[in-house]
This record gives sequence, C-alpha cells and structure tokens, in this order.
Amino acid sequence: QKEVEQDPGPLSVPEGAIVSLNCTYSNSAFQYFMWYRQYSRKGPELLMYTYSSGNKEDGRFTAQVDKSSKYISLFIRDSQPSDSATYLCAFGQAGTALIFGKGTTLSVSS
Amino acid sequence: GAVVSQHPSRVICKSGTSVKIECRSLDFQATTMFWYRQFPKQSLMLMATSNEGSKATYEQGVEKDKFLINHASLTLSTLTVTSAHPEDSSFYICSARDNRARYNEQFFGPGTRLTVL
Repeated sequence: QKEVEQDPGPLSVPEGAIVSLNCTYSNSAFQYFMWYRQYSRKGPELLMYTYSSGNKEDGRFTAQVDKSSKYISLFIRDSQPSDSATYLCAFGQAGTALIFGKGTTLSVSS
Repeated sequence: GAVVSQHPSRVICKSGTSVKIECRSLDFQATTMFWYRQFPKQSLMLMATSNEGSKATYEQGVEKDKFLINHASLTLSTLTVTSAHPEDSSFYICSARDNRARYNEQFFGPGTRLTVL
C-alpha cells in the first residue's frame, strides 16, 4: 500500500460547482495535514494546513481530516476559473520532510 | 510573510556545463530547506534535505556528486548541477521550513526551469 494516494484526475467542473479533492494515507504517525495549489510552471503555494481531525474553513476552501479513516479532503465552494490548478495533499511529522500526493489537476470552465 | 525566492527562474545551458540555483527565504529564517525536481505532469520528487551548517541528506538514487547542495546561512541554500546533461532538464523547486512553523509547513520558491541542450 502506498503511503499516500491521490487521484490524479483530471477533474473538470463548471464555474460555481463544489469541488471535492481527496487523499488517503496509511502512516498513522502523520501529524500535519496540508493542501498546496500549484499553477502550471510555478512553485506550490500553501493553501490550508491543520493538525487535528475535523473541518477547517478559509473563505471558499474547507479542509477536512478524518484520522480514524486516514482520509483528508479539500472542498472548494463556488469554484472559479482561477481555481484551475493542480492540488497536492501533503503530510508531515516533526523533523521530517513532507510527503506529497501526486496531485489532482482541476479545470474550472466558465 | 513566508516568501521564498529562487534564482534564476529559467536557464538554458550546454551539455557539460555546471549550473547553480539559489534559494532564499526572504522574511524568515530557515534551518532546513528542501530541493525537489518535477517532470512535466508529475509530482514533486524530493532530491535532498539541506540543513544550515551541515551536509545535505540525499534521497536514494540522487547522486550527491552531481547535485551539490550548500546551505551556508539561515536564508540561503544553493543547488549546483554539475556537468549537466539533457536528462537533467527539469523543473527544480526549493522549499524552506520556517523555524517558527508550528505545523512543519514548507514554503516553496517559484521554481527554476533548467534546459540542457
């Protein structure tokens, strides 16, 4: 079983749709859970981070963590064409490099 | 805050030459920086972890003599691709961990696109 699994997509939605991006993981030692957004030919940008199970909201973005199921999600409400990018989930432990998912490519059409 | 810069953003060089890429944390101190490479439509591949004042830790399969890393200060790490060949052409991205970070989050630079002819 891979340490992190993320559906690569691509995922295409119309503007205004609710988008759900998901990752599963197997390492129960992960303490930190993050989502990064990467536009084409750019470095990843940190979107959301959390360390506990439950939901964390920031504007149109909601990060959800379920440690018991080893599952994290990123929800995007009222999606916009500017949200078109690759979204990477990332997992961390103290003192080590983050482990990244392969990324899900999202395309939002106007 | 938490801005990381990379220089150059793009470089084209001839096969056999060496290329140096700089990664700077602009508004925070970073004891630890990371170097990744990314091929088109692929995920990030961690190459090495760079710690200020000590030798870098390389991931399995990454040639330490080919990819020289120096982390001389809390705000600067450099990656030198020595004797570059066309197969080294890739997108190289650095990230830095803020010493004050609570969640171990890393902040990425904008990347350097290397093309070796």
